[in-house]
Amino acid sequence: GAVVSQHPSRVICKSGTSVKIECRSLDFQATTMFWYRQFPKQSLMLMATSNEGSKATYEQGVEKDKFLINHASLTLSTLTVTSAHPEDSSFYICSAKVPSAEAFFGQGTRLTVV
Amino acid sequence: KQEVTQIPAALSVPEGENLVLNCSFTDSAIYNLQWFRQDPGKGLTSLLLIQSSQREQTSGRLNASLDKSSGRSTLYIAASQPGDSATYLCAVNSNSNYQLIWGAGTKLIIKP
Repeated sequence: GAVVSQHPSRVICKSGTSVKIECRSLDFQATTMFWYRQFPKQSLMLMATSNEGSKATYEQGVEKDKFLINHASLTLSTLTVTSAHPEDSSFYICSAKVPSAEAFFGQGTRLTVV
Repeated sequence: KQEVTQIPAALSVPEGENLVLNCSFTDSAIYNLQWFRQDPGKGLTSLLLIQSSQREQTSGRLNASLDKSSGRSTLYIAASQPGDSATYLCAVNSNSNYQLIWGAGTKLIIKP
């Protein structure tokens, strides 16, 4: 299957700082990328959908000014958590796809805000 | 609004047993359904994807079935092994955009 690389796998940051998470499709060009968040013992929740070259579509309840998503190329999408707070601590995971095909997932990023 | 439920939330069985994990969804108009495995602190591994027109998919010791009309899918694991211990997630895709709706998962422990 296709490979999606997510970096970093773990990050600890201080409250008030910003953190960038990268999601790369290594062997295919992803027209669409998705960002999910998973709190402990809960389901994954879709945060936003991004299509290359256009603005991301955010799900209800997700602050677009806090979670900045950039999908500037067909192989890279980034999620920046701005002014992070402890309640933003979570597991963030991306997936990438091409039209008419299933999505492939990155390894996830464990964010801890202290 | 599509909702996905997985039962049980946790399951512990001795090695070698066959077992069934359940997934139910409220809206039968789905595009496909996918089963994933998640190891602690790790990403997701896709196990099986069933298209809406299919009834089941098999991969090795795993068999997934889909009954759209009743809004149910099962994941059957044969001859379980300790290495099967993980959280198993069911996700429903309602359209070709692949915006998945997830169940909360079943945490499976296989005891040696």
